[in-house]
This record gives sequence, structure tokens and C-alpha cells, in this order.
Amino acid sequence: DTAVSQTPKYLVTQMGNDKSIKCEQNLGHDTMYWYKQDSKKFLKIMFSYNNKELIINETVPNRFSPKSPDKAHLNLHINSLELGDSAVYFCASSRGLAGLETQYFGPGTRLLVL
Amino acid sequence: GDSVTQMEGPVTLSEEAFLTINCTYTATGYPSLFWYVQYPGEGLQLLLKATKADDKGSNKGFEATYRKETTSFHLEKGSVQVSDSAVYFCALRLVGGTSYGKLTFGQGTILTVHP
Repeated sequence: DTAVSQTPKYLVTQMGNDKSIKCEQNLGHDTMYWYKQDSKKFLKIMFSYNNKELIINETVPNRFSPKSPDKAHLNLHINSLELGDSAVYFCASSRGLAGLETQYFGPGTRLLVL
Repeated sequence: GDSVTQMEGPVTLSEEAFLTINCTYTATGYPSLFWYVQYPGEGLQLLLKATKADDKGSNKGFEATYRKETTSFHLEKGSVQVSDSAVYFCALRLVGGTSYGKLTFGQGTILTVHP
């Protein structure tokens, strides 16, 4: 069974559209994250949720809105897509917020905005 | 702020060569250190980790030692294989404080191993 899954795997869309990416983990973890990987492979955290509560919001434009309906899911909705949003988005989860906990990553969603 | 610096890539080696990928960090608190690997077209996988000074993390023939005095966590492997071709990320995660568990990544090092 896949531990952290994301859908869709690929997403090609036009500028100005609104799209969502879904993430689910079956590890029983309390904490989930969204990371963005740019074209140069640089990874940066966007959001984290702990027990459905927003913990980290790293100065991400408010066009990006995460939603956590329950501890196992963290979805990412993006309004008014821009060319610069093209990237790979990774979801991750961990047992908790402690620095010792390992984060487990999903396979990524490759978003291309035309 | 917290940051991780990795050696510039790409790194190209022949099979069975020795690998070192340098990683240094700056942290406002006491970090745990990680190496993640990303194979082509896939997500990140944890390769190894170390949670305190002088700890050695190891997995699949890779090793890295947490050196607090030099703030480093260099990745090494004695004999690389073609299947090790991937992007390698060094990362830190603070223990406690207000970082709330976020991982701070280095810029990644692309490794290509030729037969």
C-alpha cells in the first residue's frame, strides 16, 4: 500500500484556471506538509498542518489555500494559476512536529501552467 | 535563519568510484540532519538521518556523520553503482523551538554514475 499518495500525478492547465491537488496518507500520522520544487530542483516548504490545524504558512500567496478535512488528508487548492506556479508539488507526513520525526513524501504532482 | 548548503553539481562518476557530497548547515537551534534521495520521476525517499552530534547515519552503503564542530553532514559511499544515479538532498529539521518541524533543504546535488 502506498503510504503517501497524491492525485493527480500530472496536471497541465491554462493561466487563470483554478485547480486542486489531493494528498492522502495511511500512516496514521498527525502532521502533513506541502512542499514546492522548482525547475532547479530547489525544495521549499509551503504549509504544514498538525491535527487539521494550520501550523506553518511560509509567505505563500493567498491564491494557494490548503484544506485538511481530516488528519489523513491535506489538499491544496490554487486559484488564478500563473506561469510561475509551474513546479512539482510534494505532500509529506510525519508522526508529529518534533525534529526527530521522519517525513515521508508522496510521489509528487507535476503542474504545468501554459 | 536556518540554511543548508550542498556542493555544486552535477557530479559524474564511473561505477565503483568513491562518492562524497558535501553538506554544511547553519541553524538557530539544535537540528536533526537528513539525506533524502530523489530518483528520476519519483518523490523523495529518506536515505539516512542523524539526530545528535557524532551520530553516524547509514543505509544502502551510504554513510554520513553529524559533525557539530564543523556543522557538516557529508554523504559518502565507497563504491557507487549506476542505480545510485539520482538527486541527493541534505536537509535539517530543528528540534523544538518555533520551526514546527519543517525541513530546510539544500539545493540538491545531481549524481550520474556511468558504467
